[in-house]
Amino acid sequence: KAGVTQTPRYLIKTRGQQVTLSCSPISGHRSVSWYQQTPGQGLQFLFEYFSETQRNKGNFPGRFSGRQFSNSRSEMNVSTLELGDSALYLCASSLEQGFAYGYTFGSGTRLTVV
Amino acid sequence: AQKITQTQPGMFVQEKEAVTLDCTYDTSDPSYGLFWYKQPSSGEMIFLIYQGSYDQQNATEGRYSLNFQKARKSANLVISASQLGDSAMYFCAMREADTGGGNKLTFGTGTQLKVEL
Repeated sequence: KAGVTQTPRYLIKTRGQQVTLSCSPISGHRSVSWYQQTPGQGLQFLFEYFSETQRNKGNFPGRFSGRQFSNSRSEMNVSTLELGDSALYLCASSLEQGFAYGYTFGSGTRLTVV
Repeated sequence: AQKITQTQPGMFVQEKEAVTLDCTYDTSDPSYGLFWYKQPSSGEMIFLIYQGSYDQQNATEGRYSLNFQKARKSANLVISASQLGDSAMYFCAMREADTGGGNKLTFGTGTQLKVEL
């Protein structure tokens, strides 16, 4: 079956612009999470959606937002981009929310802000 | 305090030998899951192995095994018969049951493994 699909794979944006990243989870997976990975901060949790509801949010400014659609696909949006937002953004899907359920990750979107 | 600690920033191993990547964790939640992921230079995170807090036996998946010592709060990954393709960054992660109903993975800082001929 198809894995987690993230689009686009690479993105270059200018400071001050906004960007939308897309994630299609594995079919049947209802939980989608987003992570930011940078060399300095490592992997940091952004937010998690389950059945279209945000269930958990990391410590990021309000410029970072997301949503989940009825088909479980998710988007994250970053407004007023800053140079520090340059990172690999990883989406992960999980069948359910329990601690025993693992995440399957997509290949990520590499965002560069210039 | 760090919830997941990986003390080895880099490791070298000879091809066909076994290697142990260390991971310690900190949680007061009795219900949690521990995961190891591999991240090649291409960026995708590849799931390797899972250990639940209530599992009595150490998890194994092919050449990967997890040395789970609950009292010591350690979950070391053992890779047997290393291959050149094992060269990558390895992350230990924990998923706790969040009181608000949501979950998240907390990652360690990773260990860069290099397999040499």
